[in-house]
Amino acid sequence: DVVMTQSPLSLPVTLGQPASISCRSSQGLVHSDGNTYLNWFQQRPGQSPRRLINKVSNRDSGVPDRFSGSGSGTNFTLKISRVEAEDVGVYYCMQGTHWPPVTFGQGTKLEIK
Amino acid sequence: QVQLVESGGGVVQPGGSLRLSCAASGFRFSSYGMHWVRQAPGKGLEWVAFIRYDGSNKYYADSVKGRFTISRDNSNSTLFVQMNSLRAEDTAVYYCAKGNGFFDYWGQGTLVTVSS
Repeated sequence: DVVMTQSPLSLPVTLGQPASISCRSSQGLVHSDGNTYLNWFQQRPGQSPRRLINKVSNRDSGVPDRFSGSGSGTNFTLKISRVEAEDVGVYYCMQGTHWPPVTFGQGTKLEIK
Repeated sequence: QVQLVESGGGVVQPGGSLRLSCAASGFRFSSYGMHWVRQAPGKGLEWVAFIRYDGSNKYYADSVKGRFTISRDNSNSTLFVQMNSLRAEDTAVYYCAKGNGFFDYWGQGTLVTVSS
């Protein structure tokens, strides 16, 4: 199974400052169809997860443009350009290239400093 | 708009069974694969099972293989998971999620507690 490793696991950020979360996979995530199935999810306290980014860098509908995804191969990053109070929660990366099983990172808890 | 509404959770004894449902609306249910994903209390996300849009293929996590069965009723836009031989470690919130590029929409979840 592909192991997804996120860092940091805890991320205190000052409002208005940028934030960055790293996700590394134990295998390259380029699928034979040419796509890289690496997604990012946000889970606010008490809520269901919500997909933010699909296939590395595509923002889902309604996601603010302060969120961006990048990376290739085995190294991927989620960036928030200016953190707002509503961004508090846990962020997960997920790979769907080598599935089943689909695998998630451990989660990164973003809090306001 | 897309809506996924899970139901059927509750408290069950170890070794017992439970059947969860997920009622879908706002999209053509019969055109999409669907997943179950769970989250143990205070823990991360774990993929559980997938069913192809027409029910022809099903995949399971090793942790539930042989005990859980995913199914669907396209005429009623409903996804199911039959959970047998439940264990304490199956205690979690169970989410259904739409399969377009993996989990573009999620339900609100239903809590399953396995305890004597």
